Amino acid sequence: QSALTQPASVSASPGQSITISCTGTSGDVGGYNYVSWYQQHPGKAPKLVLYDVSNRPSGVSNRFSGSKSGNTASLTISGLQAEDEAEYYCSSYTSETIPWVFGGGTKLTVL
Amino acid sequence: QVQLMQSGAEVKKPGASVNVSCKASGYTFTRFAIHWVRQAPGQRLEWMGWINTGDGNTKYSQKFQGRVTITRDTVANTAYMELNSLTFEDTAVYYCARLGPGYTNGWAYWGQGTLFTVSS
Repeated sequence: QSALTQPASVSASPGQSITISCTGTSGDVGGYNYVSWYQQHPGKAPKLVLYDVSNRPSGVSNRFSGSKSGNTASLTISGLQAEDEAEYYCSSYTSETIPWVFGGGTKLTVL
Repeated sequence: QVQLMQSGAEVKKPGASVNVSCKASGYTFTRFAIHWVRQAPGQRLEWMGWINTGDGNTKYSQKFQGRVTITRDTVANTAYMELNSLTFEDTAVYYCARLGPGYTNGWAYWGQGTLFTVSS
């Protein structure tokens, strides 16, 4: 099955905003509003920061927002803080034989 | 509070099997499916399969079909993932995870991860 495509890395200074893209196909990202985003610090389990494209779980900062256009979903983090530095993964439900697929991850560096 | 507590790290030889447990607490175990996701060193997350903890039905990724078995014990509130015929490529951290309440997707709760290493 096809995995989702993310940029390998992004970087920005504290206080700035960044957007991470997650590109799939009409069989996954484009076909369902079932995209989720995870933050993962080294050696830790992933943490859900967005589900169903743009919904934030309780306790997640409103600096995290999500959107989708066609086959591409996006995660935006505004007002960057040092603790946002982490790996970010997108995931989508898919119509293929593996119901869920992940992106390759994006390393966010806060300069 | 919801917690998923996994068994500890293991080292196995190629061809062996490994069984990882995931004990749930803080909620009604049979109301939410348990998923298994793995992450090889430096690699992306990879969905392996899930179990409906209520009726025991399972679904596996085609990649692992025939090698993985997920079961649950509703008395012990524990899910298990067994992976057979291990190869070096199975060296990874294995996570159990659960959707958030009312979420269509989005694993809001994760175990701490279990590292197993395949080494000769």
